[in-house]
Amino acid sequence: RKEVEQDPGPFNVPEGATVAFNCTYSNSASQSFFWYRQDCRKEPKLLMSVYSSGNEDGRFTAQLNRASQYISLLIRDSKLSDSATYLCVVNSNSGYALNFGKGTSLLVTP
Amino acid sequence: EADIYQTPRYLVIGTGKKITLECSQTMGHDKMYWYQQDPGMELHLIHYSYGVNSTEKGDLSSESTVSRIRTEHFPLTLESARPSHTSQYLCASSGQGGNQPQHFGDGTRLSIL
Repeated sequence: RKEVEQDPGPFNVPEGATVAFNCTYSNSASQSFFWYRQDCRKEPKLLMSVYSSGNEDGRFTAQLNRASQYISLLIRDSKLSDSATYLCVVNSNSGYALNFGKGTSLLVTP
Repeated sequence: EADIYQTPRYLVIGTGKKITLECSQTMGHDKMYWYQQDPGMELHLIHYSYGVNSTEKGDLSSESTVSRIRTEHFPLTLESARPSHTSQYLCASSGQGGNQPQHFGDGTRLSIL
């Protein structure tokens, strides 16, 4: 079983839609959780950290469910510029490295 | 914005050449990483370092080697490049503590002819 699993998509949504991505992780001792965004042929960029109580940054909301070992990302009022691959990231068993999911592809259309 | 730099951005070179990909960060981060990523595919960790004189192999076996003589510098070397080494190589760093995110450089896109 992979450490971090994501639905690869693609998710095709119209502008203005709300879209949610889920991600599951296998290591119950994981302490650090992040969502990254990666544009085509670019480097991953940190979108937001995920905190136990859930957190929001503008149109983006991240939730963590430790009991079920899953993380979610909700994007409200989608913009064309949100089109990208979203990577779910969890710290590894060693604690020094991070495990990256394969990513979920989002395409927002006019 | 993270200050981590990779050079060159693009490299096209013939088989058998020795290549060094440079990565430097000015944030004083102890931990640094190298990833390999093919187009449309997932990231694979190939090397990481906890600090000066520390290097570890990642999840994906790689013929490359790394060194960490200075905190800010984490170069990756291929002694004899082959077409199978064609890929994008991404360097990242993170600060102290186990809960820090990684910040990535722009990457080096390597093509071996």
